[in-house]
Amino acid sequence: AQSVTQLDSQVPVFEEAPVELRCNYSSSVSVYLFWYVQYPNQGLQLLLKYLSGSTLVKGINGFEAEFNKSQTSFHLRKPSVHISDTAEYFCAVSPLGNQFYFGTGTSLTVIP
Amino acid sequence: GAVVSQHPSRVICKSGTSVKIECRSLDFQATTMFWYRQFPKQSLMLMATSNEGSKATYEQGVEKDKFLINHASLTLSTLTVTSAHPEDSSFYICSAKIRGTRSYNEQFFGPGTRLTVL
Repeated sequence: AQSVTQLDSQVPVFEEAPVELRCNYSSSVSVYLFWYVQYPNQGLQLLLKYLSGSTLVKGINGFEAEFNKSQTSFHLRKPSVHISDTAEYFCAVSPLGNQFYFGTGTSLTVIP
Repeated sequence: GAVVSQHPSRVICKSGTSVKIECRSLDFQATTMFWYRQFPKQSLMLMATSNEGSKATYEQGVEKDKFLINHASLTLSTLTVTSAHPEDSSFYICSAKIRGTRSYNEQFFGPGTRLTVL
């Protein structure tokens, strides 16, 4: 069975400050890892994904994430946030070739 | 990139009526489409997996007779909410898995459909 835990439901941060959104997972099989962003009343947009190879993954909009197998984590980071980064962020895992399992989401609010 | 559309984007209906939501892959063939449901301020919950030409596989707790899924072609899947009630009000999102191996195991999400049942 797979599960995804996003430890922070809400993260307020000042504009131009760094941010880290935490994600931990558990799985009995190998998984692919993803981060998605959702703006109000919209679908999901892929930020980045880890399939294999380098554990540091760079995505769109200046985001990056690091896969840590020993800690079963896939935390999302950005060194300097903008107002436009205010959104809901979802971490997801996908067992090889199968469906996605999503975390409960983290609401990022960037304060001017 | 691959684009998935949903129609309608927003629908309001009376209790007891049925509503059909379409999910289309616009520039690729999707062997598998997924339907998710999202309540306000909550995560996406997988409802069912839809494979072209075969019956959908429903997740535990999802009523297959209430949420009818048809995947008639490699680019279209439909979700029909039958005899909708206010508790069915939600944001429904579909995703499509691309055929072939180029984007293996990646899903492309539609923009979602907001259903409000009065």
